[in-house]
Amino acid sequence: GQNIDQPTEMTATEGAIVQINCTYQTSGFNGLFWYQQHAGEAPTFLSYNVLDGLEEKGRFSSFLSRSKGYSYLLLKELQMKDSASYLCAVLDSNYQLIWGAGTKLIIKP
Amino acid sequence: GAVVSQHPSWVICKSGTSVKIECRSLDFQATTMFWYRQFPKQSLMLMATSNEGSKATYEQGVEKDKFLINHASLTLSTLTVTSAHPEDSSFYICSARDVGAGEYNEQFFGPGTRLTVL
Repeated sequence: GQNIDQPTEMTATEGAIVQINCTYQTSGFNGLFWYQQHAGEAPTFLSYNVLDGLEEKGRFSSFLSRSKGYSYLLLKELQMKDSASYLCAVLDSNYQLIWGAGTKLIIKP
Repeated sequence: GAVVSQHPSWVICKSGTSVKIECRSLDFQATTMFWYRQFPKQSLMLMATSNEGSKATYEQGVEKDKFLINHASLTLSTLTVTSAHPEDSSFYICSARDVGAGEYNEQFFGPGTRLTVL
């Protein structure tokens, strides 16, 4: 079956760096997305990786290793507004998005 | 970026009534729209995928006669929850996708509709 694993919850301090990991086992691979979802709101797109390596976009970076079925989202210079759930999703061979359960990130002052 | 709207934002209804939720892509044509349901502290659960002008494809376990989906145009899809019951109370989110609408063919999400069935 298809499976995406990510930690349920993480806590970090304002101004620090946090890495949210995601491992996946899917039938085929056409890219991996990271979305941010604040409580009570819809997800918003953060990043997309389809090739191995690191994609940097401001304070957020996303890494992919297809051979290991592994990705991480790196958040730098954490701000209180970064408190949210971060969803990892993989586009499988049928171009269907398989969603992880999300990682709730709590930022403390 | 591409914008998707959803209406209503929230709705409270009595058990047994039907509720219609609209999803519109405002500045692009969405050949594919998705309907998700999300229960508290859980991830998104895909209910169905709809392509303009054709019948929706429902995920396993989702009753197509209960959750009616109509994707009549390239900018509008509707989800009707028929004979709603308290267990249907949830956060319903639509998303839209179209080649060229986003740099990575990503899905753009509406703001969601919170349904409470009394």
